Amino acid sequence: EAQVTQNPRYLITVTGKKLTVTCSQNMNHEYMSWYRQDPGLGLRQIYYSMNVEVTDKGDVPEGYKVSRKEKRNFPLILESPSPNQTSLYFCASSFVRVGPMNTEAFFGQGTRLTVV
Amino acid sequence: QKEVEQNSGPLSVPEGAIASLNCTYSDRGSQSFFWYRQYSGKSPELIMSIYSNGDKEDGRFTAQLNKASQYVSLLIRDSQPSDSATYLCAVNMFRDDYKLSFGAGTTVTVRA
Repeated sequence: EAQVTQNPRYLITVTGKKLTVTCSQNMNHEYMSWYRQDPGLGLRQIYYSMNVEVTDKGDVPEGYKVSRKEKRNFPLILESPSPNQTSLYFCASSFVRVGPMNTEAFFGQGTRLTVV
Repeated sequence: QKEVEQNSGPLSVPEGAIASLNCTYSDRGSQSFFWYRQYSGKSPELIMSIYSNGDKEDGRFTAQLNKASQYVSLLIRDSQPSDSATYLCAVNMFRDDYKLSFGAGTTVTVRA
């Protein structure tokens, strides 16, 4: 089954304790991205990756890191989480196609993170 | 100006009625447009994609695109309680071919 898998689904942590949220896709997609979703603000892109070893900042990258060592995996790292990073996080992946008919994104199940 | 804006809602419609959702976008060169449905606490799922001006129908859903007006809409005909969800408009920004920018979403409630 084609899917994007995130882990964990729920996480409560304390301020400053490093954490990693994993994301893996089995569709051979080149493009992967991380979003956070907050009430009234919609989905905002944190980081994205066009392919292995190619990553770039999205709209709200502060406080986050990512890596793309393999095509299927795109972990999100919070080196020193703070309460303002409490949010619902989604990983998404898509093909990279030239032309207008592109980039339908497939989403993971989401990770609800609470930083206290 | 936000890249993608949706009518804020919430939108409440009776069962069997038409729900109309609107979305405008700022990047005139954008070429790919999507509507996602998101149930509370769940991940977004794609329900419609549209790339050309005009209407595109899929079952009870119709997407409408007007690039000159930078406007895309979604109509849900014969609304059902199972349509109660938040609907997200997403647009590929022309200046960044692969980035999807999302609106804040419109929450629809279908009253039985």
